[in-house]
Amino acid sequence: EIVLTQSPGTLSLSPGERATLSCRASQSLSSTYLAWYQQKFGQAPRLLIYGTSSRATGVPDRFSGSGSGTDFTLTISRLEPEDFAVYYCHQYGRSPFTFGPGTRVDIK
Amino acid sequence: QVQLQESGPGLVKPSETLSLTCAVSGYSISSGFHWGWIRQSPGKGLEWIGNMYHTGSSPYYNPSFESRVTISGHTSKNQFSLKLTSVTAADTAVYYCARWGSGWSFESWGQGTLVTVSS
Repeated sequence: EIVLTQSPGTLSLSPGERATLSCRASQSLSSTYLAWYQQKFGQAPRLLIYGTSSRATGVPDRFSGSGSGTDFTLTISRLEPEDFAVYYCHQYGRSPFTFGPGTRVDIK
Repeated sequence: QVQLQESGPGLVKPSETLSLTCAVSGYSISSGFHWGWIRQSPGKGLEWIGNMYHTGSSPYYNPSFESRVTISGHTSKNQFSLKLTSVTAADTAVYYCARWGSGWSFESWGQGTLVTVSS
């Protein structure tokens, strides 16, 4: 099983600041099969990024993904009030599909 | 636009079977994609349980659940279901159904349903 580790656990930032979230895999992944989700309280996860760097439909371009091998990054260029949430990375290239534990982005 | 909605008992007794249904609207489950179940608990986070193909055949499961889980489709009702046997308190979670594509994974989700395992 591929274990995903996310850091930091919590990121405290102000609106307008840049957020950089990290996801590390226990084994090398094909970049085709790494996704990021956003989850707000009481809601289902929402797909933001798939294939490491492709934005899902309707996702603003302030969200970007990058990485390869075992290290992947989600960047939010300028935080908007609606971006404060929990973010999960997810690999779907090898069964069992797995999710990271999440990074909470909260308001400083 | 596809919409998914989970339904089923919110309370299940230990050792019994958890049964949930996902009703899909806006897309026929037999037309394509895979259809899956994910759960979320404070202790274990998000866990993929398993998927089924749009044909309803050859479901594939997380080995952690394989001995206890069945995912099947009901194309006439445009629904698919989850059965998890011999539940314990550790199976208490919010259960989500979702549509899965090989390029983008789980891209549409239901709102989730809380299932509590307790006597």
